[in-house]
Order: sequence, then C-alpha cells, then structure tokens
Amino acid sequence: SAVISQKPSRDICQRGTSLTIQCQVDSQVTMMFWYRQQPGQSLTLIATANQGSEATYESGFVIDKFPISRPNLTFSTLTVSNMSPEDSSIYLCSVYLPTGELFFGEGSRLTVL
Amino acid sequence: GENVEQHPSTLSVQEGDSAVIKCTYSDSASNYFPWYKQELGKRPQLIIDIRSNVGEKKDQRIAVTLNKTAKHFSLHITETQPEDSAVYFCAANYNNNDMRFGAGTRLTVKP
Repeated sequence: SAVISQKPSRDICQRGTSLTIQCQVDSQVTMMFWYRQQPGQSLTLIATANQGSEATYESGFVIDKFPISRPNLTFSTLTVSNMSPEDSSIYLCSVYLPTGELFFGEGSRLTVL
Repeated sequence: GENVEQHPSTLSVQEGDSAVIKCTYSDSASNYFPWYKQELGKRPQLIIDIRSNVGEKKDQRIAVTLNKTAKHFSLHITETQPEDSAVYFCAANYNNNDMRFGAGTRLTVKP
C-alpha cells in the first residue's frame, strides 16, 4: 500500500502565526484530501487538492485560511493561516489506494497557544 | 451532500461479548461504506469495508451488514477483546469522491 509522510508530526504554535504542513506520497495520485480532526471529534474534510488546478474547499473552509498547494502528483501542502486556539487539531492528509481504500497519513497535531 | 449518522457515541462491553455500531446515510448514490478504527494518538485505519452490491461481509471477528433500502449499515464485533477498545468511525462515499464520516463510537472492552 501507499506510504504517506506528513511533516511536522506535531507542533506548538503561537496565536497569529501560520504553519505549513507537508504531505508526501510514495506514488502518483490524482487527488489528495486534507481532513481536520478536532479534539475528540470526527474527521471533517477541509479540501480536495488536485494537481494542476485550484483546490476544492468544503463548506466552512476558505482558501485564505487554509491555502493548499499541489505542485505535482506526489506532494501537497496545507497552510493553517493566522492561527487561533480554535485551530488546535490534528490535520490529516489522505489518498485513495488502488483498492479503493482511503488511506491516511499519521497526521500533524497542532496546538495553538 | 452525504450525511452520515452514527450510534451509539459510546459503548462499553464485557470482554467476550459482542458489540454493534450502527450508521445511516442520506445519499442513495453512495456505494462504498468503510469502517475505521482509531487508537489513541494514531491515524484512522481501515478494518473492513463493504460495497453496495453485497449485503454482508465478514473478516474473522468483525462483520459489516448493509441495507441499501433503509440506507443503513452496521459493524459487528464478536468475542470482543480489550485490544478492540478504540474509536470506530463509519463512512460513506460515491465513486471515490470525498468521504463523509460518522461522529464516531468510543468502544471500551472491559477485561
């Protein structure tokens, strides 16, 4: 199965700063998905990152707050901008495997003080 | 868009008993229904899935059933063990588009 490498695995950030999370996949994929998991909550889709086009954002998420890059078929970044304590969450990158399984990276745990 | 509801939110069983978690979905076009297990501090991992062309699937102690008419599907764990303790998420989607998740069930298996 695919291997997803996410960086950083965790970070503590100051209010008002921005942090970029990187996601590297070991095989080429058309779509990459960014999810947020707030403490004790479920998985909420932030956006779908397609190579060569703008990311598609879900209701409640905007590009200014969560800009996404997708420069090639194996890499994507998610930036959490102007962070507040409410942004403290686990951010997960995911891709579909050839079997149809949605496979998750290990996640990036952000704490905003 | 798809909406997935999951019940119960917490479930506590004695070791050896069975556990059942139920989910309903709203989009009749959904054709793929996975179940994920998430242990504390770890990523969600697929444990079993079912597609809309079958009604039941079993893998050792876990099974999933699907009722397309009623738009609900369930996870069954038999002979539960303490290592089954985790949060379980159901999900639904159509043709590998965005996956929608239920709210999760925290299962505790007491030794």
